[in-house]
Amino acid sequence: DTGVSQDPRHKITKRGQNVTFRCDPISEHNRLYWYRQTLGQGPEFLTYFQNEAQLEKSRLLSDRFSAERPKGSFSTLEIQRTEQGDSAMYLCASTSGGWGTEAFFGQGTRLTVV
Amino acid sequence: QKEVEQDPGPLSVPEGAIVSLNCTYSNSAFQYFMWYRQYSRKGPELLMYTYSSGNKEDGRFTAQVDKSSKYISLFIRDSQPSDSATYLCAMSAEGTPLVFGKGTRLSVIA
Repeated sequence: DTGVSQDPRHKITKRGQNVTFRCDPISEHNRLYWYRQTLGQGPEFLTYFQNEAQLEKSRLLSDRFSAERPKGSFSTLEIQRTEQGDSAMYLCASTSGGWGTEAFFGQGTRLTVV
Repeated sequence: QKEVEQDPGPLSVPEGAIVSLNCTYSNSAFQYFMWYRQYSRKGPELLMYTYSSGNKEDGRFTAQVDKSSKYISLFIRDSQPSDSATYLCAMSAEGTPLVFGKGTRLSVIA
């Protein structure tokens, strides 16, 4: 499968724990995006990378969230001191070009904070 | 007012019906328009991509963009039970990330 891959698919964690998610984009895509989707809502933008550089962060991305994309390949999204409000689907997408090119999403990581 | 408005439904139609899904938006700078299909507990799957105004057809799917009215539509012909999913519209301006609607939940009844 050469699509966007996310791991794990599901994560249940206790409040206050740290979690890390991984995204492997389509191999030739230089842009990688993280979105968050809660029940009954559309995905909301969190942050994006152009190669290894993180170029924009949404105000939704509190200081408990950090994202990296070492060497411009896979990316990780870490949430520290998780809260129940962090429960959501975390989606990764990649594109081959700039703004406006087709974005392809992974299957997401569903996080449940108990 | 949200930037992108989409009726969440649910919308229930009989198999074979023509389905019309719509979004309105407020940001006149939007020029890239996409429709995604999302099955339960899965990631969004890109269905249609349109730049600026006009129509685009792909099999049973037709996307229309009317920038003068800030209105986009997705038509599904000969709908099938396998089309039952949530349909998300998404759009962006140059230099901005995709903004999504809430999604419309569609059920096609056999």
